[in-house]
Amino acid sequence: TQLLEQSPQFLSIQEGENLTVYCNSSSVFSSLQWYRQEPGEGPVLLVTVVTGGEVKKLKRLTFQFGDARKDSSLHITAAQPGDTGLYLCAGGGSNAGNMLTFGGGTRLMVKP
Amino acid sequence: DTGVSQDPRHKITKRGQNVTFRCDPISEHNRLYWYRQTLGQGPEFLTYFQNEAQLEKSRLLSDRFSAERPKGSFSTLEIQRTEQGDSAMYLCASSFREGEAFFGQGTRLTVV
Repeated sequence: TQLLEQSPQFLSIQEGENLTVYCNSSSVFSSLQWYRQEPGEGPVLLVTVVTGGEVKKLKRLTFQFGDARKDSSLHITAAQPGDTGLYLCAGGGSNAGNMLTFGGGTRLMVKP
Repeated sequence: DTGVSQDPRHKITKRGQNVTFRCDPISEHNRLYWYRQTLGQGPEFLTYFQNEAQLEKSRLLSDRFSAERPKGSFSTLEIQRTEQGDSAMYLCASSFREGEAFFGQGTRLTVV
């Protein structure tokens, strides 16, 4: 069974601070997605990374896929209150059904 | 196309009743997934369709759960004889390629 662990589980910071969220596994994934979810809504896809060592930037968000494709990180620069939400990583692989395996999420609160 | 659509958004039912949820995927997506998410957790995979074929259903939580996608377009998820433990957010997602899934807004089920 492929498992993804996210850390930290909760993060409360002030507006303007930087933060990094980690997603780790002992399994290799063919791709890794990051999603953001707000209360009562479905997850919204932020980015997909597929190549070991790949780095993608989305405005103030920087996503990195580990060289061995077992881990990933999300770095947010100068966090804003609008960044508040649940951040989920999800790994895709050649598993049965091509399903995504999700981590437990990091709940981020950015205080103004 | 406005994305994945789920109906209803909220459902309150009495224990023992049957419920059915509908999902309309993004029109050009041939893959459709159902997930369940409980409070404070990441989504948990339930089942997967490629076109009208249900290719993975071993993760359905019990024989009270069933899903269909009769014409390879919309899908339904039915829960028979609901229990309080079935209370959760039920999420549908669709994709065109492996690993990258787009989610609907979910159906929040409350069993009283």
